[in-house]
Amino acid sequence: NAGVMQNPRHLVRRRGQEARLRCSPMKGHSHVYWYRQLPEEGLKFMVYLQKENIIDESGMPKERFSAEFPKEGPSILRIQQVVRGDSAAYFCASSRQPENEQFFGPGTRLTVL
Amino acid sequence: ILNVEQSPQSLHVQEGDSTNFTCSFPSSNFYALHWYRWETAKSPEALFVMTLNGDEKKKGRISATLNTKEGYSYLYIKGSQPEDSATYLCAFKTTGNQFYFGTGTSLTVIP
Repeated sequence: NAGVMQNPRHLVRRRGQEARLRCSPMKGHSHVYWYRQLPEEGLKFMVYLQKENIIDESGMPKERFSAEFPKEGPSILRIQQVVRGDSAAYFCASSRQPENEQFFGPGTRLTVL
Repeated sequence: ILNVEQSPQSLHVQEGDSTNFTCSFPSSNFYALHWYRWETAKSPEALFVMTLNGDEKKKGRISATLNTKEGYSYLYIKGSQPEDSATYLCAFKTTGNQFYFGTGTSLTVIP
């Protein structure tokens, strides 16, 4: 049973470009969470999704950021018109049920030049 | 934004010593308290999910307790080993499905 997969592992973008981060949850998991770790800071909750639904996006910036978890395929975190301040490690986690432990992916390290 | 605090921020212990650290969280809107271990260059790994006041969980030499009324959880490591060196994170889950992570306790076990 493969763990949570994220790709790409490293992503470099220039200011103004779009970044698309993908997360494939563990088999049988329908709950996905996205977190951001800014340099020298801890993990910050961004968004919680269940298949085809955004359950809570209170941690996600209102502009330029969006997330989806379609019926088929991975969850996508999309950042439009990236700025240098978006440089961070973005972690995805999944769980079978919301009350269960979360399993984390290896993260995507985004660098904005 | 809710405040989840962990103390101490970092800790150095000798191999074989027992140690413990604290996670403090708001006592309102509590749903669950998670503990994770995060080794350098790896992903956070779940240790415990605790939901009930008075809960005690154990996994090998590591155990945790939970007090939801006063808003704290303790993580204990008995007989620390070098492989226990990691950052230990707690995460508070609210009834509104939000997660708030502490900044972690960085443990170094000296052989």
